[in-house]
Amino acid sequence: GAGVSQSPRYKVAKRGQDVALRCDPISGHVSLFWYQQALGQGPEFLTYFQNEAQLDKSGLPSDRFFAERPEGSVSTLKIQRTQQEDSAVYLCASSPLAGSIVPQHFGDGTRLSIL
Amino acid sequence: KNEVEQSPQNLTAQEGEFITINCSYSVGISALHWLQQHPGGGIVSLFMLSSGKKKHGRLIATINIQEKHSSLHITASHPRDSAVYICAVDTSGTYKYIFGTGTRLKVLA
Repeated sequence: GAGVSQSPRYKVAKRGQDVALRCDPISGHVSLFWYQQALGQGPEFLTYFQNEAQLDKSGLPSDRFFAERPEGSVSTLKIQRTQQEDSAVYLCASSPLAGSIVPQHFGDGTRLSIL
Repeated sequence: KNEVEQSPQNLTAQEGEFITINCSYSVGISALHWLQQHPGGGIVSLFMLSSGKKKHGRLIATINIQEKHSSLHITASHPRDSAVYICAVDTSGTYKYIFGTGTRLKVLA
């Protein structure tokens, strides 16, 4: 498809399990962003990639969160030893420009529920 | 205190009503964005503003840089406008959005 694709759309996991969330950005987009959106809140920045380089991971809430984009296209956000407070929608966005958030194209998100 | 605040948090309107959603921010910005998020989660960019006013169809967005305030107006509202409207600012010199908490709009037929 032409847009940003995220999978799975929904993920339910038990507390303590590891999860992996995938983002397929628009082909050729240089910048890729991950956001976390808690219920009833606006999205919050997690991390930024420019091609394969993770230039900013200042928003990752703990060392249980890890993101990669090894070939500069698909990105994976991994959460280890999940906790209930990790329940949120995880949004991915991409942009054709380096170091720029605009224009930014969002995926539909992955809704993660930790039981 | 959040750097980007929106009001109201929730809004219910009757079809045809004129709607205003407000956004105030406390940081320096290079641009302000209005985003629309439907229940499925996907976010669509409506406007990017750095000054003045923009109009697209029934949507109008204004920004007052001196007062650090922006408004999103919807004229002749329709049930399909029901969504969460999010204000996000692009702080000068960075590539990160700072998002407001969103305004949940429901338009009744």
